[in-house]
Formats: sequence, C-alpha cells, structure tokens
Amino acid sequence: ETGVTQSPTHLIKTRGQQVTLRCSSQSGHNTVSWYQQALGQGPQFIFQYYREEENGRGNFPPRFSGLQFPNYSSELNVNALELDDSALYLCASSYVAGPYNEQFFGPGTRLTVL
Amino acid sequence: AQSVTQPDIHITVSEGASLELRCNYSYGATPYLFWYVQSPGQGLQLLLKYFSGDTLVQGIKGFEAEFKRSQSSFNLRKPSVHWSDAAEYFCAVGAEEYGNKLVFGAGTILRVKS
Repeated sequence: ETGVTQSPTHLIKTRGQQVTLRCSSQSGHNTVSWYQQALGQGPQFIFQYYREEENGRGNFPPRFSGLQFPNYSSELNVNALELDDSALYLCASSYVAGPYNEQFFGPGTRLTVL
Repeated sequence: AQSVTQPDIHITVSEGASLELRCNYSYGATPYLFWYVQSPGQGLQLLLKYFSGDTLVQGIKGFEAEFKRSQSSFNLRKPSVHWSDAAEYFCAVGAEEYGNKLVFGAGTILRVKS
C-alpha cells in the first residue's frame, strides 16, 4: 500500500510568482486536506477536497486554490506569492471526509519565497 | 473560536524517564482528539486518537493519553522515553460543528538526553 506522496520536495520562488504543489493520496482514500505549517507553528488547515469538490476551507485568501482529480490526487495552487507564504505544505488523505477520520500525512513540500 | 494550547514549547527528559506532554483545548462539545508526531523532514504520524468511551487511550510506540473533560485536557504520556522519541509532538482537535478541519496546537519539541 503506497502512502501519501507529495511533489516537489523543495521549491524556491520569488514574490509575485505562482506555484503548484501536488499530492497523491493513499490508495482507497477519497478525501484530501491541505495544511500550511509555518516555521515553529502547528499546521493550519487550508481546505479539503472530497470527491473532487471543495469540502471546507480555512482562513486563507482566494489566491490559495485547489483541485482534486478523478483518481483523488490533488493540487494546491498559490497565486501572487508573498514572503509569508514560505512554509511547509502538508497534504493529508483520509478514507472519508469528517473530523473523526484519521488523516494520513505526506512528507510535505518546503516552499521558500524570496 | 476553537483553540488548542500546548503550554510547553520544549521539553528535555533523560532516556528512561517518564514523559508527559500537555494539551488543552477550547470547544463547546466533546471533540475528536489526536496526537501526532513529526520527525525532522517527515510528515505527521498519528500516535493515538480519542473519540468516546474509555478516557485512557493507548497508541503506538508505547504512548498513551488521558481525556479529562473537566480540565479540557488530553495529555500524552510515556512511562519510559527512548532516544528515538526525540521529535515534535502536536495535539490536534476536530469537531463536527467546525467542519472537516483539524486544529493543531503549536507543538512541543521533545529532546532526550542520554
């Protein structure tokens, strides 16, 4: 059974650019959540996708957007990058949606904005 | 608003000593409670979870946690710490009324001295 994978591992962008991060969910999981983990902080919920539809969103601006594909993999897109977007971005998949479900996390993508 | 507090940013214990990591939450109803561990360069791994029933839950790697409703706490314990337990530990809370997100504490970094 393959776990949650994310690509790329590391990424360096400049302010104002756009970035796309990718996540492959664990086999059999139809729900993907994205979290932002700034240095020294706990992960913060960005949004969740369930069966290709957005299924909850945290307190992030619209320049953070996402997609989920029919195979349940997912993308996180961030437009107009700001310095504060520098963080570890974590993807988590679960068997179904809902706060009671165990979420399986990928290793993350480290984004640095210069 | 919901919040999760981990009062200790860093904790240092000797190998073989006992460990307790504190977690307090603010929610109206009984939440879903989780402890995750994050090693450097790794994603989050679930140690244990509490939904209902017995307030003392057992997890992986010899960890346990106790839910105390009166104190709004869910402290993580281990009777004898191993050097490999050095990592960052996150308490997280989910609740139906707040949608599908997990709210994480800021984390506690555990150092183990030999």
